[in-house]
Amino acid sequence: SQKIEQNSEALNIQEGKTATLTCNYTNYSPAYLQWYRQDPGRGPVFLLLIRENEKEKRKERLKVTFDTTLKQSLFHITASQPADSATYLCALTGFQKLVFGTGTRLLVSP
Amino acid sequence: DADVTQTPRNRITKTGKRIMLECSQTKGHDRMYWYRQDPGLGLRLIYYSFDVKDINKGEISDGYSVSRQAQAKFSLSLESAIPNQTALYFCATSDSTGGNTEAFFGQGTRLTVV
Repeated sequence: SQKIEQNSEALNIQEGKTATLTCNYTNYSPAYLQWYRQDPGRGPVFLLLIRENEKEKRKERLKVTFDTTLKQSLFHITASQPADSATYLCALTGFQKLVFGTGTRLLVSP
Repeated sequence: DADVTQTPRNRITKTGKRIMLECSQTKGHDRMYWYRQDPGLGLRLIYYSFDVKDINKGEISDGYSVSRQAQAKFSLSLESAIPNQTALYFCATSDSTGGNTEAFFGQGTRLTVV
């Protein structure tokens, strides 16, 4: 069956450290993989998109990697801040649908 | 004004009632989606539409129906609401042109079925 898996346990880190979140998928061959941020009670907000022929993408303090052999994406936030605390969702286009993982909650402590 | 607007924002309804959630967008996008979100289950796709004449079932379409009245409007109906349809519902849009599939979400509709 098709699955998109993200760590369901919250990730707790200290301010200034690098947060690394993982997204694994099975039985998909996505052309794109995306990462979104979601705050409680609000809709997800797009952060980054990476294509299947790209290994890495950066935007300010964010970095995404995409390994189509491992079927995995890593999402990094460097120099994390308490304001980065949120749930982060990965999403991919599978058979033209946009499907999401369950998300990982990130908590950044001062 | 928001690019993707959902109405109502909150709704409490009784079991067995028919309810419609509405979504409209001003982004000019061709693709529209309905998701529901439950704690621990992430966003699950209910229906999606690639244009006015193209409607597709998602992972959990049973108990739901949709209507794409115009490119800018996509409605979700619960024909006979049941308590396990209590959830946070999101509408989203994306543009198929240019190869970028970034999705834009509405503010969500919190639906409670009692």
